[in-house]
Amino acid sequence: DQQVKQNSPSLSVQEGRISILNCDYTNSMFDYFLWYKKYPAEGPTFLISISSIKDKNEDGRFTVFLNKSAKHLSLHIVPSQPGDSAVYFCAASEASNTGKLIFGQGTTLQVKP
Amino acid sequence: GAGVSQTPSNKVTEKGKYVELRCDPISGHTALYWYRQSLGQGPEFLIYFQGTGAADDSGLPNDRFFAVRPEGSVSTLKIQRTERGDSAVYLCASSSRTGYTDTQYFGPGTRLTVL
Repeated sequence: DQQVKQNSPSLSVQEGRISILNCDYTNSMFDYFLWYKKYPAEGPTFLISISSIKDKNEDGRFTVFLNKSAKHLSLHIVPSQPGDSAVYFCAASEASNTGKLIFGQGTTLQVKP
Repeated sequence: GAGVSQTPSNKVTEKGKYVELRCDPISGHTALYWYRQSLGQGPEFLIYFQGTGAADDSGLPNDRFFAVRPEGSVSTLKIQRTERGDSAVYLCASSSRTGYTDTQYFGPGTRLTVL
């Protein structure tokens, strides 16, 4: 039972353009969502998060959008840079829980120079 | 400052053997998590420690898996009678855990290969 899903295994974009990574979830108890970025042979690195009371959070080139009614969130990277090439994981947690994160399968982003 | 460290970085063992994986969290972090990442998948929760106690071990797949954190800092994940299906990258994360939204900082992982 995959509670967090990233249906696109890979995405390729041109440098300078927008990258949009998508994530869907099924558990309505999730109220905190995060994006992590992972390079090969390294652990995931926190990128940006959003609480369910918001629908948008922005940090520099990265913006996360949350649509609670659709149980969907997306990460926008503008402008995309070659150094953004990595695997991106969407994750979710519940306030009533222990803080454990439920991850999606990941999307591999390739930004071409 | 120093991040989360994990040793060894790679471990190759034979089916049926016992292995221990170590995690050194960020100094002062009271919360520690273990996750397992299989090829092509996202990390999967195994166990959560708050201080010395395992507050949530619901992710441990079976009783061959056990983890300890005796002094509330370093943690060891122990796997008995390893099976080929245990092959994965084992990730450790820590957080300050003042609230459930605290950022979890991950180590580089230990790649376990069971032959």
